Amino acid sequence: NAGVMQNPRHLVRRRGQEARLRCSPVKGHSHVYWYRQLPEEGLKFMVYLQKENIIDESGMPKERFSAEFPKEGPSILRIQQVVRGDSAAYFCASSPRDSISGNTIYFGEGSWLTVV
Amino acid sequence: QKEVEQDPGPLSVPEGAIVSLNCTYSNSAFQYFMWYRQYSRKGPELLMYTYSSGNKEDGRFTAQVDKSSKYISLFIRDSQPSDSATYLCATSRNTGGFKTIFGAGTRLFVKA
Repeated sequence: NAGVMQNPRHLVRRRGQEARLRCSPVKGHSHVYWYRQLPEEGLKFMVYLQKENIIDESGMPKERFSAEFPKEGPSILRIQQVVRGDSAAYFCASSPRDSISGNTIYFGEGSWLTVV
Repeated sequence: QKEVEQDPGPLSVPEGAIVSLNCTYSNSAFQYFMWYRQYSRKGPELLMYTYSSGNKEDGRFTAQVDKSSKYISLFIRDSQPSDSATYLCATSRNTGGFKTIFGAGTRLFVKA
């Protein structure tokens, strides 16, 4: 299965610590998206990246959150000084460069962050 | 107003029933329409996509888009207990370079 791989699947952090979530896209996919899903809510777009570029970060909170997709290695979503409200499922998705099926994106299994 | 509105349910139906799931959207620039299925504690799985208006059928699933009324539907025929999941509608302006916007999801329960 060469789908989107996310790790860790579950992460517990104390308030004030940092959380790092990693995402390896489908092989050959050059577009990566991060979404957040709060309990009983839908998927909220956070950021869209291509290799070494942030294309759209309109859904990212202005403080404490950052994302990167380096030339080599996985995409990283970093949350500094976590607060209880950051507890959520964070999903990474990817799509190919030239999708013939519209802007369809393929999701990983998610990383569940719990802030205690 | 949310860009994509979806009734969260839950929707409970008996096995074998026809299920109708619906969404409305506000931005006429949206051209691609998708349905995802999400099981508990799992990532969303792409079910179907359509471009512009019209119908698309895949097995027991039919997706329908009416751009004139900004209405998206998913029909499931002969529903099975294994169809019990949350169904998310999604839309995007164009291919590549644009974010996909999701509805809140409708929880479906199919009773055996």
